[in-house]
Amino acid sequence: QAVLTQPPSVSGTPGQRVTISCSGSSSNIGDNYVFWYQQFPGTAPKLLIYRSDRRPSGVPDRFSGSTSGTSASLAISGLRSEDEADYYCAAWDDSLSGFWVFGGGTKLTVL
Amino acid sequence: QVTLRESGPALVEPKETLTLTCTFSGFLLSTSGVSVSWIRQPPGKALEWLARFDWDDETFYSPSLKTRLTISKDTSKSQVVLRMTKMDPVDTGTYYCVRTNDLDAFDVWGQGTMVTVAS
Repeated sequence: QAVLTQPPSVSGTPGQRVTISCSGSSSNIGDNYVFWYQQFPGTAPKLLIYRSDRRPSGVPDRFSGSTSGTSASLAISGLRSEDEADYYCAAWDDSLSGFWVFGGGTKLTVL
Repeated sequence: QVTLRESGPALVEPKETLTLTCTFSGFLLSTSGVSVSWIRQPPGKALEWLARFDWDDETFYSPSLKTRLTISKDTSKSQVVLRMTKMDPVDTGTYYCVRTNDLDAFDVWGQGTMVTVAS
């Protein structure tokens, strides 16, 4: 049971804008940065968004992140077929001694 | 170039102890803000963070697995080792070794190593 809640799946057509939500609590998203990772089948995840809204070099500006309270969102604009992948959100949780938490992952299908 | 590579047994029997080694290059674990984590992923399921070894030798563990995990480093070999006791079939999955940079991001991932728990 993942600590952060994501929709299991989202879909869109090429060119569309889709968003993936990530819901947490005051001890994680409400108090810390959110990170997003993209994973293709059979490969290791790749960093997509760091510190809630920043893109590493090489990540297209079609990808953007935002947060509001205890929730975060990943937006993908100008959807492309190669964006079809699994997406995970993550955040540090301050409770207990501190630990990382992930969302359950969202499968993006490009129709 | 920063790289991490996981190594360890592909098959572990139930109740046994799993030992995984992460051999890294291209960075120093003693650099401020840097850490190495272990993250696993059961087949078809979500990522799960297990443990972290920090640049200042501080360690952190998943609360749900804390009693079974030990993370340590071998500085001379640029390695981080994860031990997980009392392995169970539900522990089957791909185990990743991952670097965290000074921006707290899991920025470089190993290719992962698949571990199956079965008798």
